[in-house]
Amino acid sequence: GEDVEQSLFLSVREGDSSVINCTYTDSSSTYLYWYKQEPGAGLQLLTYIFSNMDMKQDQRLTVLLNKKDKHLSLRIADTQTGDSAIYFCAHNRYGGSQGNLIFGKGTKLSVKP
Amino acid sequence: ETGVTQTPRHLVMGMTNKKSLKCEQHLGHNAMYWYKQSAKKPLELMFVYNFKEQTENNSVPSRFSPECPNSSHLFLHLHTLQPEDSALYLCASSQTYGRQGADGYTFGSGTRLTVV
Repeated sequence: GEDVEQSLFLSVREGDSSVINCTYTDSSSTYLYWYKQEPGAGLQLLTYIFSNMDMKQDQRLTVLLNKKDKHLSLRIADTQTGDSAIYFCAHNRYGGSQGNLIFGKGTKLSVKP
Repeated sequence: ETGVTQTPRHLVMGMTNKKSLKCEQHLGHNAMYWYKQSAKKPLELMFVYNFKEQTENNSVPSRFSPECPNSSHLFLHLHTLQPEDSALYLCASSQTYGRQGADGYTFGSGTRLTVV
């Protein structure tokens, strides 16, 4: 299977919470990341979590990490139309090919007014 | 300028043309990366340079030729491309290859390439 798996699409209404989920396979990862890509732009680092943490909150963003299940989630509270973008989950990995930051395929978040 | 800058933002080229993409970073990073992003394969790592040395080439066709003259600049030379090479080409940088910390990678805005 893939190193990092995410669902491809998520649609929410403005003002609702969005939850984007990600699973990964490498238990040795020390950092896990969420990147945001707006249309026609590159990837922007949104937030990260260190592997010894369970949760990290940054304003409207909450990251939850379940290391046992290798599950990462990003919750966006009070989702706005400006949050419409593709969100990539990533983790670091040492050695091997594919570089040492492994990305998922991205979840396209659509926010309906 | 700060961050990672890519030029041009858009490029249309014929299959017989030769063109180059440029990437520049002013972050003091030592590792630079080329990614291809298309509908079929969302993020495909092409090349990795660490301290100007190529450390990875992920079976990229020879019609793509990277060049890294110094740690701040990265080029992707293109020749005799195919229409399926049309994609968004993203450049990224990081402090050092192999030691990704909280900063992860910093990406440029990309070059949208169309091969006609």
